[in-house]
Amino acid sequence: RKEVEQDPGPFNVPEGATVAFNCTYSNSASQSFFWYRQDCRKEPKLLMSVYSSGNEDGRFTAQLNRASQYISLLIRDSKLSDSATYLCVVNRPDSGAGSYQLTFGKGTKLSVIP
Amino acid sequence: DAGVIQSPRHEVTEMGQEVTLRCKPISGHNSLFWYRQTMMRGLELLIYFNNNVPIDDSGMPEDRFSAKMPNASFSTLKIQPSEPRDSAVYFCASSFGRGTTNEKLFFGSGTQLSVL
Repeated sequence: RKEVEQDPGPFNVPEGATVAFNCTYSNSASQSFFWYRQDCRKEPKLLMSVYSSGNEDGRFTAQLNRASQYISLLIRDSKLSDSATYLCVVNRPDSGAGSYQLTFGKGTKLSVIP
Repeated sequence: DAGVIQSPRHEVTEMGQEVTLRCKPISGHNSLFWYRQTMMRGLELLIYFNNNVPIDDSGMPEDRFSAKMPNASFSTLKIQPSEPRDSAVYFCASSFGRGTTNEKLFFGSGTQLSVL
């Protein structure tokens, strides 16, 4: 099983639609979870952290299910500017080598259509 | 703040040549990361420095790759000799901290490397 798995998409949705992305991770000891956004030919940027109780930032809602090792991102009222690739990111626990690593999923591509 | 600065933005070279990628992290950040991104493999961590010291280089593909961080404001990733399969976008990122629950990475704009 891959460390972080995402449906690659693409998701093509009309403006105003609600869309949800899912992500699963393999390491049950993982403690930190994030969603990053990457525009075409640009660098990834942090969209939001994912907290155990779930969290919301405007039109974006992130949820975590530790029992199922599953993370989700919900986008309401999609805008054209939401078109991007959304990367699920998991902070792998210290392996004992003194390192923390962020493991990135390959991303889910979203296209919002007028 | 200017953000993480990488150079060059694009590099086209021939197989067998040496390639050096450069990165200036955000001032005050104490962790620096080199990532490689391809369509097939996504974003892969190559190496991670904390306070200028390499902490984890398990992602470096082979001996042809090397990275240095001589001071807090500069890092290089060198490929010698380069091969066509090294073609990818190489990102440098920096953060403050050593891995906390609120760790946020700031990425540079990347270097698009093409090895012919």
